[in-house]
Amino acid sequence: EPEVTQTPSHQVTQMGQEVILRCVPISNHLYFYWYRQILGQKVEFLVSFYNNEISEKSEIFDDQFSVERPDGSNFTLKIRSTKLEDSAMYFCASDGVPYEQYFGPGTRLTVT
Amino acid sequence: GDSVTQMEGPVTLSEEAFLTINCTYTATGYPSLFWYVQYPGEGLQLLLKATKADDKGSNKGFEATYRKETTSFHLEKGSVQVSDSAVYFCALRRTGANNLFFGTGTRLTVIP
Repeated sequence: EPEVTQTPSHQVTQMGQEVILRCVPISNHLYFYWYRQILGQKVEFLVSFYNNEISEKSEIFDDQFSVERPDGSNFTLKIRSTKLEDSAMYFCASDGVPYEQYFGPGTRLTVT
Repeated sequence: GDSVTQMEGPVTLSEEAFLTINCTYTATGYPSLFWYVQYPGEGLQLLLKATKADDKGSNKGFEATYRKETTSFHLEKGSVQVSDSAVYFCALRRTGANNLFFGTGTRLTVIP
């Protein structure tokens, strides 16, 4: 069965450093998403991406964040200058059949 | 704004016990409702969904009915198994949007 994959599974970085989280969505899907979950809190929507541009974003997704689909398979989330409060689990998702988002296993980001 | 309120956990049940995890929502219009499950070390998996009032979603013995009058989408299973131990997330997708709003998740542990 097709699945969404994410790398790395765990990323440790120092405050102020740039990180790139990578995702490979399901190949025939058209919508792509990033969500995050701070430990003990809700899963929160960050951004959705369709047709090579951002279609929706939340107030969390400020100028420190960017997304890109650099080739036909990868979908990346970049955080330019990480803060301690960016420590969270980041989930990528993709959407093909309406109303059914498929999620990856997540990347745990730890900012020290 | 839109929100999902989910029963606090953790929940511990004996095998073959009846499970209910409560979920209520606040949204304008007619959102679609979902239950996702996260097994240890894995991503979020769609468990079931309902897209309109009075729809019942079901999968793997789990059921949930979209109740507009009580704005609820409670998850039930008649007889849980050890393999059902996971974190369960209730989510909504409002009309005209693609992103999901999640509840906080409920951790279920089933003991033999």
